[in-house]
Amino acid sequence: QVQLQESGPALVKPSETLSLTCSVSGTYITSYYWTWVRQPPGKALEWIGYFYYNGENNYNPSLKSRVTMSADTSQSQLSLRLSSVTAADTAVYYCARDRYGAEGIDVWGQGTMVIVSS
Amino acid sequence: EIVLTQSPGTLSLSPGERATLSCRASQSVRNSYLAWYQHKPGQAPRLLMFVASTRATGIPDRFSGSGSGTDFTLTISRLEPEDSAVYYCHQYGMSPRTFGQGTKVEIK
Repeated sequence: QVQLQESGPALVKPSETLSLTCSVSGTYITSYYWTWVRQPPGKALEWIGYFYYNGENNYNPSLKSRVTMSADTSQSQLSLRLSSVTAADTAVYYCARDRYGAEGIDVWGQGTMVIVSS
Repeated sequence: EIVLTQSPGTLSLSPGERATLSCRASQSVRNSYLAWYQHKPGQAPRLLMFVASTRATGIPDRFSGSGSGTDFTLTISRLEPEDSAVYYCHQYGMSPRTFGQGTKVEIK
């Protein structure tokens, strides 16, 4: 059974860097693409981007200058870094497995809430 | 970017009734790469349909999807109490990928 679990600080100060980890079990990081999605309170889901363990990536142009995605295959963990955060980055952040093809995003984590505030 | 508009915003129906959810795209979705997700509070979103009309593993056959181009529909043929959730459509045929704003299904 594939399971994804996001973790990280619940509170980040403005202008700092948000760093999240996604622990992956039941599947191999090297076999799939991985996507991050966020949902600000009361708003729609927003695609942040996807990446592959070899460094290939595709980030949302609206966030591209501030986003870095990576993977630690030895720890079976994914990471998301978002720099220079503002209150607009307050959201629930989800990691998800991406089939990069017809099946799209098929398994999601439960998400972790991050509040940007001083 | 492709804008997905879902309607209605909220659907309030009784158990056993049929729910029809619409997702309209601002431009044609390549390869019908359109998925539907069910999202309950505090839970991970659950994939229901991909490529517009293919049910994901373990999804009951009372869920069905249809459409192509710019107009897509998710139908729940016989609502059950556990179907209470927000349903999102998502296009993954063009970057940036986008989501609709969601339809909330309430069971009376």
